Amino acid sequence: GQNIDQPTEMTATEGAIVQINCTYQTSGFNGLFWYQQHAGEAPTFLSYNVLDGLEEKGRFSSFLSRSKGYSYLLLKELQMKDSASYLCAPSGGYNKLIFGAGTRLAVHP
Amino acid sequence: KAGVTQTPRYLIKTRGQQVTLSCSPISGHRSVSWYQQTPGQGLQFLFEYFSETQRNKGNFPGRFSGRQFSNSRSEMNVSTLELGDSALYLCASSLDSSPGRDSPLHFGNGTRLTVT
Repeated sequence: GQNIDQPTEMTATEGAIVQINCTYQTSGFNGLFWYQQHAGEAPTFLSYNVLDGLEEKGRFSSFLSRSKGYSYLLLKELQMKDSASYLCAPSGGYNKLIFGAGTRLAVHP
Repeated sequence: KAGVTQTPRYLIKTRGQQVTLSCSPISGHRSVSWYQQTPGQGLQFLFEYFSETQRNKGNFPGRFSGRQFSNSRSEMNVSTLELGDSALYLCASSLDSSPGRDSPLHFGNGTRLTVT
């Protein structure tokens, strides 16, 4: 079967670091995406991992362990505008992404 | 470059009716995917088209169908609407036939369908 697990909600303070974990089980795996979705808006692409290890992109980094079915998104120097839902999405082949329910992050001053 | 355009933005239909949603991908993108987003289920994959061929289909009943035209524009149709079909329907386009860092899915703002 296919299963994606992420925490439902997280809170953090402006300027802090937060790590959003994702564990997955999929029948096929071509890589893993992270998307950000602000309320009422379309999801936007943040990062993609296909090999094990850490990918850094400005304030955002993403890690993947294929053998453990585990990924995390690391957000540094949090800003108020980072308050959004973060979606973990393994790719199951072609352009089929399997999304988790998402983690709603609230950043407080 | 224009983004993914979905029309209409909002729709209200009654049970038993049918509905057609439209998606225009980013220019040059040949892959179009459709997702249903509900508060309880998150984003669920409906189907994906590449060069007018459906390559993948999610676990939705046959009432949900789609097609892609030669200009890559896509439509999805839902027949015999049920209350549970109320959701945000998102379309996404991609440059390549498989996803990657240089060809992620780009989402439109969605069509919010309410079935009464």
